Amino acid sequence: GAGVSQSPRYKVAKRGQDVALRCDPISGHVSLFWYQQALGQGPEFLTYFQNEAQLDKSGLPSDRFFAERPEGSVSTLKIQRTQQEDSAVYLCASSPTRWGEKLFFGSGTQLSVL
Amino acid sequence: SQQGEEDPQALSIQEGENATMNCSYKTSINNLQWYRQNSGRGLVHLILIRSNEREKHSGRLRVTLDTSKKSSSLLITASRAADTASYFCATQGAQKLVFGQGTRLTINP
Repeated sequence: GAGVSQSPRYKVAKRGQDVALRCDPISGHVSLFWYQQALGQGPEFLTYFQNEAQLDKSGLPSDRFFAERPEGSVSTLKIQRTQQEDSAVYLCASSPTRWGEKLFFGSGTQLSVL
Repeated sequence: SQQGEEDPQALSIQEGENATMNCSYKTSINNLQWYRQNSGRGLVHLILIRSNEREKHSGRLRVTLDTSKKSSSLLITASRAADTASYFCATQGAQKLVFGQGTRLTINP
């Protein structure tokens, strides 16, 4: 079946703009994770959903970051009033288990804030 | 914040040689996982080892876990050019998976 799909693949935003990044997880996967990956670094945890419930958002850098998964499937990561330091690759991953053992990653959205 | 630290940060070997990467972590874990990332792509799960396991094999991969030293190693035997990638260890406690900084592996033909 299809893997995790993320869109757009690339996004260029002017500083101050709002952006919305979409993640389509593998059908039936319970858990969904968002990570932020800076160039040459490992992925940094942002937030985690189990079905539609956001169980952990401790990694969101500021209140400009907001994530939702209203029907327990597709998820959207929204960044308001983007700043240059928000430039990174945003990775989405899903897992068939409640606790996220073995994550399946999408190819990511590369966000560049100018 | 990163939990795991990989060593070395970069490794370059000849095709056919074995590659060993190490990972150290700080807090107690339920399991430790290794992932591979090719340039510009998402991460791919390689292997999971639980906290009560000491060694696990999958094809050319061998993973060890020493919970007393809070460390793990990934061995890739008989390396191939296609193994060129970044390798990340990730530790899982209660829920979230926390990744290290990664080892950049280059296999020279």
